[in-house]
Amino acid sequence: GAVVSQHPSRVICKSGTSVKIECRSLDFQATTMFWYRQFPKQSLMLMATSNEGSKATYEQGVEKDKFLINHASLTLSTLTVTSAHPEDSSFYICSARDGRGAGGVPDTQYFGPGTRLTVL
Amino acid sequence: AQSVTQPDIHITVSEGASLELRCNYSYGATPYLFWYVQSPGQGLQLLLKYFSGDTLVQGIKGFEAEFKRSQSSFNLRKPSVHWSDAAEYFCAVDTGGGNKLTFGTGTQLKVEL
Repeated sequence: GAVVSQHPSRVICKSGTSVKIECRSLDFQATTMFWYRQFPKQSLMLMATSNEGSKATYEQGVEKDKFLINHASLTLSTLTVTSAHPEDSSFYICSARDGRGAGGVPDTQYFGPGTRLTVL
Repeated sequence: AQSVTQPDIHITVSEGASLELRCNYSYGATPYLFWYVQSPGQGLQLLLKYFSGDTLVQGIKGFEAEFKRSQSSFNLRKPSVHWSDAAEYFCAVDTGGGNKLTFGTGTQLKVEL
């Protein structure tokens, strides 16, 4: 099956620094990738939708200047948490879909293993 | 806005026993419905999905789910649980077909040997 990787799996940083998380589709081209945030004992919350070659679409309440998303190629999307603060500590998960959503039917989404961010 | 409810935060079953995980959604029409499993260190894995047609869908690892429109439910079942099924299970809906998923809060499954 299709594989999505994330790097790093775990990162600890100091408050005020920026952290970049990579999401790669290893064996398929992903025109669209999604970034989620998962709080402990809570659900995954969609943060943004990232389309290759265009600006990301952010969900309501997500600061686009805080969470910079770049989708420069069909296999790589990055999430940069800028000027991180302790409240940004969370589990960040990306997913990638293997189609273009033709016909209004969802494509299969493949999820990465997640990145645990801890901001001190 | 659509929402997904998984009423059971934790469930413990004995190995070999049957399992049912509940999922209810709130949406005016029939959404696209999914069940995912999340194991530590691994990404969410799709167990099964319902788009249309037969309301009983079969998935991987021996799981099945039944869509009941009258109850706005999509419960996940397995006749005989294995110890390796211990994980967190998420129900999700896509209401527009655009791959924007709304997840439930998850059910943590523990399997007693």
